[in-house]
Amino acid sequence: QKEVEQNSGPLSVPEGAIASLNCTYSDRGSQSFFWYRQYSGKSPELIMSIYSNGDKEDGRFTAQLNKASQYVSLLIRDSQPSDSATYLCAVNIRGRDDKIIFGKGTRLHILP
Amino acid sequence: GAVVSQHPSRVICKSGTSVKIECRSLDFQATTMFWYRQFPKKSLMLMATSNEGSKATYEQGVEKDKFLINHASLTLSTLTVTSAHPEDSSFYICSGRGAADTQYFGPGTRLTVL
Repeated sequence: QKEVEQNSGPLSVPEGAIASLNCTYSDRGSQSFFWYRQYSGKSPELIMSIYSNGDKEDGRFTAQLNKASQYVSLLIRDSQPSDSATYLCAVNIRGRDDKIIFGKGTRLHILP
Repeated sequence: GAVVSQHPSRVICKSGTSVKIECRSLDFQATTMFWYRQFPKKSLMLMATSNEGSKATYEQGVEKDKFLINHASLTLSTLTVTSAHPEDSSFYICSGRGAADTQYFGPGTRLTVL
């Protein structure tokens, strides 16, 4: 099983709809979870961090964590064309010297 | 959020020359910095983990003699690509680890080796 797994996409969502991005991870002991956004040709930028089970909201973004299912998701409400990017899920993996391991990313395309 | 800078943002060099890339954490101290490489339309690839005052830890398959990393202070890490060749052309990105395991990325350096 890959340490951090994401569907590569592309995920196409109409403008104004909710985009749902999913990520699973292998280390049951992981404590820190992050979502990054990366535009083409740019470096990743942090959107959200989450450490506890449940939901965490920041503007149009909601991160959801379920440690029992080893699952973390990102919801983007009222999707805008500017949300079109690759979204990277990142998880700290204790067995890898507490490194943060990145998934390969999901390409999101918001249809105008 | 915390800010990380990289310099230069873009560099073009001739084959066989060496190129140094600087990574600075501007408003936080990063005891650990990371260097990544990313080819077009590909995933981030971790090259090495750099800890202040100690030798860098390289990922499998990354040549430590070719990619020299120095982490001289809590705010500065450098990556030197020695004897660069066209296949080293890539997007190099550094990040610094801040509070609560969060990694903050620099804007990246695009290296083109002719």
